[in-house]
Amino acid sequence: QVQLQESGPRLVKPSGTLSLTCVVSGGSISSKNWWSWVRQPPGKGLEWIGEIYHSGSTNYNPSLKSRVTISVDRSKNQFSLKMNSVTAADTADYYCTRVITYYDISAADIGGYYMDVWGKGTTVTVSS
Amino acid sequence: EIMLTQSPGTLSLSPGERATLSCRASQTVHGQTINSYYLAWYQQRPGQAPRLLIYGTSIRATGVPDRFSGSGSGADFTLTISRLEPEDFVVYFCQQYDNSPPIYTFGQGTKLEIK
Repeated sequence: QVQLQESGPRLVKPSGTLSLTCVVSGGSISSKNWWSWVRQPPGKGLEWIGEIYHSGSTNYNPSLKSRVTISVDRSKNQFSLKMNSVTAADTADYYCTRVITYYDISAADIGGYYMDVWGKGTTVTVSS
Repeated sequence: EIMLTQSPGTLSLSPGERATLSCRASQTVHGQTINSYYLAWYQQRPGQAPRLLIYGTSIRATGVPDRFSGSGSGADFTLTISRLEPEDFVVYFCQQYDNSPPIYTFGQGTKLEIK
Protein backbone atom coordinates (compact mmCIF):
# COMPACT_ATOMS: atom_id res chain seq x y z
CA GLN A 1 0.00 0.00 0.00
CA VAL A 2 1.57 3.21 -1.18
CA GLN A 3 1.99 5.95 1.40
CA LEU A 4 3.26 9.49 1.01
CA GLN A 5 4.94 11.68 3.59
CA GLU A 6 5.69 15.37 3.18
CA SER A 7 8.54 17.08 4.99
CA GLY A 8 10.23 20.44 5.00
CA PRO A 9 10.43 23.76 6.83
CA ARG A 10 7.14 24.89 8.32
CA LEU A 11 8.08 28.57 8.36
CA VAL A 12 9.44 30.49 5.38
CA LYS A 13 10.26 34.17 5.22
CA PRO A 14 8.59 36.41 2.64
CA SER A 15 10.51 36.50 -0.65
CA GLY A 16 12.21 33.27 0.36
CA THR A 17 11.96 29.79 -1.12
CA LEU A 18 9.56 27.10 0.05
CA SER A 19 11.06 23.62 -0.19
CA LEU A 20 9.18 20.39 0.45
CA THR A 21 9.94 16.73 -0.14
CA CYS A 22 7.54 13.83 -0.49
CA VAL A 23 8.81 10.35 0.28
CA VAL A 24 7.02 7.46 -1.38
CA SER A 25 6.84 4.23 0.61
CA GLY A 26 5.19 0.92 -0.13
CA GLY A 27 5.73 1.37 -3.85
CA SER A 28 8.05 2.72 -6.48
CA ILE A 29 8.14 6.26 -7.76
CA SER A 30 9.05 4.71 -11.09
CA SER A 31 5.61 3.16 -11.45
CA LYS A 32 3.30 4.35 -14.23
CA ASN A 33 1.98 7.27 -12.23
CA TRP A 34 2.38 10.99 -12.13
CA TRP A 35 3.12 12.53 -8.74
CA SER A 36 1.70 15.90 -7.86
CA TRP A 37 1.55 18.72 -5.32
CA VAL A 38 -1.69 20.34 -4.19
CA ARG A 39 -2.14 23.12 -1.66
CA GLN A 40 -4.98 24.46 0.44
CA PRO A 41 -4.89 27.89 2.09
CA PRO A 42 -6.49 28.04 5.55
CA GLY A 43 -10.25 27.63 5.28
CA LYS A 44 -10.18 27.60 1.48
CA GLY A 45 -10.29 25.19 -1.43
CA LEU A 46 -7.72 23.06 -3.20
CA GLU A 47 -5.23 24.32 -5.77
CA TRP A 48 -3.12 22.06 -7.98
CA ILE A 49 0.51 23.18 -8.13
CA GLY A 50 2.12 20.76 -10.54
CA GLU A 51 3.14 17.19 -11.27
CA ILE A 52 6.12 15.09 -12.28
CA TYR A 53 6.70 11.71 -13.90
CA HIS A 54 9.64 9.52 -12.89
CA SER A 55 11.30 10.39 -16.19
CA GLY A 56 11.44 13.99 -15.03
CA SER A 57 8.65 15.30 -17.24
CA THR A 58 6.67 18.01 -15.51
CA ASN A 59 3.43 19.95 -15.83
CA TYR A 60 2.70 23.09 -13.83
CA ASN A 61 -0.30 25.22 -13.00
CA PRO A 62 0.09 28.23 -15.33
CA SER A 63 -0.68 30.57 -12.44
CA LEU A 64 2.33 29.31 -10.48
CA LYS A 65 4.63 28.11 -13.22
CA SER A 66 7.07 31.02 -13.02
CA ARG A 67 7.82 30.31 -9.34
CA VAL A 68 7.64 26.53 -9.09
CA THR A 69 10.05 23.68 -9.77
CA ILE A 70 9.23 20.03 -9.14
CA SER A 71 11.97 17.43 -9.27
CA VAL A 72 12.32 13.70 -8.70
CA ASP A 73 15.00 11.57 -7.06
CA ARG A 74 14.41 7.96 -8.09
CA SER A 75 17.28 6.69 -5.94
CA LYS A 76 15.54 8.02 -2.83
CA ASN A 77 12.01 7.27 -4.05
CA GLN A 78 10.96 10.84 -3.51
CA PHE A 79 9.97 14.01 -5.29
CA SER A 80 10.29 17.62 -4.28
CA LEU A 81 8.70 21.03 -4.62
CA LYS A 82 10.45 24.39 -4.67
CA MET A 83 8.51 27.62 -4.81
CA ASN A 84 10.39 30.89 -4.83
CA SER A 85 9.47 34.49 -4.07
CA VAL A 86 6.83 33.39 -1.56
CA THR A 87 4.37 35.76 0.08
CA ALA A 88 1.75 35.41 2.78
CA ALA A 89 -0.64 34.20 0.08
CA ASP A 90 1.44 31.03 -0.18
CA THR A 91 0.61 30.08 3.41
CA ALA A 92 -1.24 26.79 3.10
CA ASP A 93 -1.39 23.08 3.77
CA TYR A 94 0.69 21.38 1.12
CA TYR A 95 -0.13 17.85 0.01
CA CYS A 96 1.71 15.45 -2.23
CA THR A 97 -0.39 12.97 -4.15
CA ARG A 98 -0.19 10.03 -6.50
CA VAL A 99 -2.04 10.46 -9.76
CA ILE A 100 -3.66 7.48 -11.40
CA THR A 101 -4.71 7.14 -15.01
CA TYR A 102 -8.11 5.64 -15.57
CA TYR A 103 -8.40 3.74 -18.81
CA ASP A 104 -11.98 3.29 -19.93
CA ILE A 105 -12.08 -0.07 -21.69
CA SER A 106 -15.52 0.52 -23.16
CA ALA A 107 -14.43 3.78 -24.74
CA ALA A 108 -10.93 2.49 -25.54
CA ASP A 109 -9.64 5.79 -24.24
CA ILE A 110 -8.16 7.40 -21.18
CA GLY A 111 -10.95 8.39 -18.84
CA GLY A 112 -9.05 10.94 -16.83
CA TYR A 113 -6.41 11.46 -14.18
CA TYR A 114 -7.19 11.36 -10.49
CA MET A 115 -5.40 11.66 -7.17
CA ASP A 116 -5.89 8.40 -5.32
CA VAL A 117 -3.23 8.58 -2.62
CA TRP A 118 -2.53 11.68 -0.54
CA GLY A 119 0.05 12.49 2.07
CA LYS A 120 -1.18 13.77 5.42
CA GLY A 121 -0.11 17.26 4.42
CA THR A 122 2.21 19.79 5.96
CA THR A 123 1.37 23.34 6.97
CA VAL A 124 3.71 26.00 5.63
CA THR A 125 3.48 29.53 6.96
CA VAL A 126 5.08 32.47 5.20
CA SER A 127 5.94 35.10 7.78
CA SER A 128 8.85 37.17 8.93
CA GLU B 1 -9.69 27.42 -18.60
CA ILE B 2 -12.56 25.39 -17.19
CA MET B 3 -14.08 26.57 -13.92
CA LEU B 4 -15.99 24.27 -11.61
CA THR B 5 -18.82 25.68 -9.54
CA GLN B 6 -20.22 23.58 -6.72
CA SER B 7 -23.65 24.09 -5.23
CA PRO B 8 -24.87 24.58 -2.69
CA GLY B 9 -22.00 26.00 -0.67
CA THR B 10 -23.51 24.48 2.44
CA LEU B 11 -26.14 21.74 2.59
CA SER B 12 -28.05 21.12 5.82
CA LEU B 13 -29.61 17.69 6.16
CA SER B 14 -30.30 15.04 8.77
CA PRO B 15 -28.77 11.58 9.09
CA GLY B 16 -30.66 9.07 6.99
CA GLU B 17 -31.64 11.66 4.39
CA ARG B 18 -30.46 11.76 0.79
CA ALA B 19 -27.86 14.35 -0.25
CA THR B 20 -27.42 15.70 -3.75
CA LEU B 21 -24.33 17.79 -4.45
CA SER B 22 -23.82 19.56 -7.74
CA CYS B 23 -20.73 20.46 -9.74
CA ARG B 24 -21.07 22.54 -12.91
CA ALA B 25 -18.33 23.18 -15.44
CA SER B 26 -18.18 26.57 -17.10
CA GLN B 27 -17.79 24.85 -20.42
CA THR B 28 -18.23 21.35 -21.60
CA VAL B 29 -15.75 19.15 -19.81
CA HIS B 30 -12.91 18.07 -22.03
CA GLY B 31 -13.61 21.04 -24.21
CA GLN B 32 -15.76 19.74 -27.02
CA THR B 33 -18.37 17.05 -27.08
CA ILE B 34 -20.10 15.68 -24.04
CA ASN B 35 -17.56 13.68 -22.09
CA SER B 36 -18.14 12.66 -18.50
CA TYR B 37 -14.88 10.86 -17.91
CA TYR B 38 -12.82 13.61 -16.46
CA LEU B 39 -14.57 14.33 -13.17
CA ALA B 40 -13.85 13.13 -9.66
CA TRP B 41 -15.22 13.75 -6.19
CA TYR B 42 -13.18 13.97 -3.01
CA GLN B 43 -14.21 13.97 0.63
CA GLN B 44 -12.25 15.95 3.19
CA ARG B 45 -12.65 15.53 6.91
CA PRO B 46 -11.44 18.29 9.27
CA GLY B 47 -7.70 18.21 9.70
CA GLN B 48 -7.26 15.47 7.12
CA ALA B 49 -6.19 15.19 3.52
CA PRO B 50 -8.84 14.78 0.84
CA ARG B 51 -9.89 11.24 -0.03
CA LEU B 52 -10.84 10.11 -3.52
CA LEU B 53 -14.48 8.97 -3.56
CA ILE B 54 -15.55 8.87 -7.21
CA TYR B 55 -13.59 9.03 -10.47
CA GLY B 56 -14.56 8.78 -14.10
CA THR B 57 -17.79 10.51 -13.00
CA SER B 58 -19.38 7.35 -11.57
CA ILE B 59 -16.75 4.84 -10.44
CA ARG B 60 -16.36 4.39 -6.71
CA ALA B 61 -12.79 4.31 -5.46
CA THR B 62 -11.59 1.34 -3.45
CA GLY B 63 -13.32 1.04 -0.09
CA VAL B 64 -15.96 3.69 -0.72
CA PRO B 65 -19.40 2.66 0.55
CA ASP B 66 -22.08 2.09 -2.05
CA ARG B 67 -24.27 4.83 -0.58
CA PHE B 68 -22.00 7.20 -2.56
CA SER B 69 -22.72 7.49 -6.27
CA GLY B 70 -21.72 9.86 -9.05
CA SER B 71 -23.48 10.79 -12.24
CA GLY B 72 -23.61 13.42 -14.94
CA SER B 73 -22.15 14.39 -18.27
CA GLY B 74 -21.01 17.42 -20.21
CA ALA B 75 -21.28 20.39 -17.89
CA ASP B 76 -23.37 19.02 -15.01
CA PHE B 77 -22.29 16.42 -12.49
CA THR B 78 -23.82 15.12 -9.27
CA LEU B 79 -22.61 13.33 -6.17
CA THR B 80 -25.42 11.53 -4.37
CA ILE B 81 -25.25 10.11 -0.88
CA SER B 82 -28.28 7.89 -0.54
CA ARG B 83 -28.58 7.64 3.25
CA LEU B 84 -26.45 10.02 5.23
CA GLU B 85 -24.35 8.63 8.03
CA PRO B 86 -22.97 10.92 10.79
CA GLU B 87 -19.43 10.65 9.35
CA ASP B 88 -20.61 11.98 5.97
CA PHE B 89 -21.11 15.51 7.30
CA VAL B 90 -17.86 16.99 6.00
CA VAL B 91 -16.65 18.82 2.89
CA TYR B 92 -16.76 17.55 -0.70
CA PHE B 93 -14.79 18.77 -3.71
CA CYS B 94 -15.16 17.98 -7.39
CA GLN B 95 -12.14 17.92 -9.70
CA GLN B 96 -11.62 17.82 -13.40
CA TYR B 97 -8.59 17.36 -15.64
CA ASP B 98 -7.99 19.12 -18.92
CA ASN B 99 -5.12 18.09 -21.13
CA SER B 100 -4.74 21.25 -23.20
CA PRO B 101 -2.69 22.33 -21.35
CA PRO B 102 -2.51 19.75 -18.57
CA ILE B 103 -4.24 21.21 -15.53
CA TYR B 104 -6.32 19.95 -12.63
CA THR B 105 -9.10 22.20 -11.37
CA PHE B 106 -11.10 21.82 -8.17
CA GLY B 107 -14.49 23.18 -7.27
CA GLN B 108 -14.70 25.44 -4.24
CA GLY B 109 -16.33 22.74 -2.12
CA THR B 110 -19.69 21.91 -0.55
CA LYS B 111 -19.95 21.60 3.20
CA LEU B 112 -22.49 19.06 4.37
CA GLU B 113 -23.75 19.93 7.84
CA ILE B 114 -26.15 18.34 10.26
CA LYS B 115 -29.53 20.04 10.36
